[in-house]
Amino acid sequence: GAVVSQHPSWVICKSGTSVKIECRSLDFQATTMFWYRQFPKQSLMLMATSNEGSKATYEQGVEKDKFLINHASLTLSTLTVTSAHPEDSSFYICSARDQRFVEQYFGPGTRLTVT
Amino acid sequence: ELKVEQNPLFLSMQEGKNYTIYCNYSTTSDRLYWYRQDPGKSLESLFVLLSNGAVKQEGRLMASLDTKARLSTLHITAAVHDLSATYFCAVLFYNTDKLIFGTGTRLQVFP
Repeated sequence: GAVVSQHPSWVICKSGTSVKIECRSLDFQATTMFWYRQFPKQSLMLMATSNEGSKATYEQGVEKDKFLINHASLTLSTLTVTSAHPEDSSFYICSARDQRFVEQYFGPGTRLTVT
Repeated sequence: ELKVEQNPLFLSMQEGKNYTIYCNYSTTSDRLYWYRQDPGKSLESLFVLLSNGAVKQEGRLMASLDTKARLSTLHITAAVHDLSATYFCAVLFYNTDKLIFGTGTRLQVFP
């Protein structure tokens, strides 16, 4: 089956620093990747959609200058949380899709804690 | 704006009992997904429903889709403790790649 990995699985950083999260499709080419955020006991909220080689499309209310998304290749997308604050602490999940598939395939998630 | 609502939000049920989780959505869509999430984990895909009247079953779980009513159900038969998790439905926003998730239903099965 289609496998998506994320790295790191968890990260702790200090307020004001930046942290990068990687999302990789391991056995297929992902024409589109998605980034979600999930706060404790809440649902997943779509943050942005990225297509390989083009700028990400951000959902309303998501600051594009704070959450930098790069989809430089068909197997890798990165999310950089810049100048992180404690309220950015969350579970970040990526998913990837190949146009041939009806499904998005989800990564294992990255738990970010900002102290 | 596409809204996806689930009910109940929390369900505590005894082993061996049956129950149904409901997923209502507000605008046209012809693709609906059900996922399971264990605490601290990401999503596990359960079902993909692609057309009106679609019904899929896996073990003690059965999902159905009524696109005219904009309603999907996830039926649990003879619940067991291993089914304890949070269940999400998600609807593909028509003509886009966007998945909009429901509020989630936290299921707890006790002996």
